[in-house]
Amino acid sequence: GDSVTQMEGPVTLSEEAFLTINCTYTATGYPSLFWYVQYPGEGLQLLLKATKADDKGSNKGFEATYRKETTSFHLEKGSVQVSDSAVYFCALYYGGSQGNLIFGKGTKLSVKP
Amino acid sequence: NAGVMQNPRHLVRRRGQEARLRCSPMKGHSHVYWYRQLPEEGLKFMVYLQKENIIDESGMPKERFSAEFPKEGPSILRIQQVVRGDSAAYFCASSPASGHGCTFGSGTRLTVV
Repeated sequence: GDSVTQMEGPVTLSEEAFLTINCTYTATGYPSLFWYVQYPGEGLQLLLKATKADDKGSNKGFEATYRKETTSFHLEKGSVQVSDSAVYFCALYYGGSQGNLIFGKGTKLSVKP
Repeated sequence: NAGVMQNPRHLVRRRGQEARLRCSPMKGHSHVYWYRQLPEEGLKFMVYLQKENIIDESGMPKERFSAEFPKEGPSILRIQQVVRGDSAAYFCASSPASGHGCTFGSGTRLTVV
């Protein structure tokens, strides 16, 4: 079945370091891909998305490119801040009658000053 | 412009009691999704509803769990005869139509004692 695999955390970085969180997927069709962020005690917020191969999603300095050939959607940020500390979830979504998101297990990021 | 509203934020129930979780989707959204997040896990899809219809309940446990989204009022996730293993965060999300990204609520954290 369809699935999403994320790198295991926690990831601990110093402020201004470069961030990569790996995400790969297995899909029978052509899903849209998403990154969500969950701050402590809160719900998930959509961070960015890409709907087809080679699309790049970007928001708040984060970006990810939909790579069909490697079935990947890695999240990157050039310079992290303490306020980026959160759990990041990669997800795929077909829509239509398959109305649900399929999430990875999440990667916890801690940024130290 | 309220987002997805869930209540209560925290719910404590004794084993054997019933838990009722409410979700009011964003204005103009007619699609509602329920997810469960167990500790240290990603979100798992439970059920997808439109007004008065269950579209996909493939993630719902076969017993004790039910969901509805009536013509008027919020969506309700109902858990009868709760057990300790039901303790989790339950998130509701809504979208204006399928194929669009979801907006999540802040969740209801259920604790069964």
